[in-house]
Amino acid sequence: NAGVTQTPKFRVLKTGQSMTLLCAQDMNHEYMYWYRQDPGMGLRLIHYSVGEGTTAKGEVPDGYNVSRLKKQNFLLGLESAAPSQTSVYFCASSYPNTGAEEQFFGPGTRLTVL
Amino acid sequence: AQRVTQPEKLLSVFKGAPVELKCNYSYSGSPELFWYVQYSRQRLQLLLRHISRESIKGFTADLNKGETSFHLKKPFAQEEDSAMYYCALLNQAGTALIFGKGTTLSVSS
Repeated sequence: NAGVTQTPKFRVLKTGQSMTLLCAQDMNHEYMYWYRQDPGMGLRLIHYSVGEGTTAKGEVPDGYNVSRLKKQNFLLGLESAAPSQTSVYFCASSYPNTGAEEQFFGPGTRLTVL
Repeated sequence: AQRVTQPEKLLSVFKGAPVELKCNYSYSGSPELFWYVQYSRQRLQLLLRHISRESIKGFTADLNKGETSFHLKKPFAQEEDSAMYYCALLNQAGTALIFGKGTTLSVSS
């Protein structure tokens, strides 16, 4: 099993450009999450999903959109990137029946917005 | 309000010294708390959870409801313990974790 994978690993955008980050998991997990990690700010939840076709806002959802059309994939979109969105983005997923406790993380995507 | 506070950004200790990484929480009811760890060039992963009352890699953490704390302890630090440590709290709905800002542990010889 590949676990949780993220595409791409690195990306540089110009202000105003758009992009989509892809998260995929092959563990049949129901719950999936998108976080951003910034120095001194820790790990902050952007959006999450508790099942295919459902999404919910986390702590810092502004400027991001998500979709969960397939159970194994969770997409994070930036419609108009801003320098404040420069960060490392992590995706995670968790077990179907035991909830959110043990989350399995992807390797991260390092995004720079110029 | 549900909140996790890790007061130390950086904790530096010598090999063999005791370690205590502090975590305080705010929560109504019975909290479920966890410690996650991120070693250099590795993925963030679960270290331990309070309901298991387990010891992982020599680390333990006890929930103290009176002090609303869940400090992570190890009696003798090793260099391989150097990492970023996050304390996390399960939200009321049971659907997401609330992470603290993290503490970087640096163990030197």
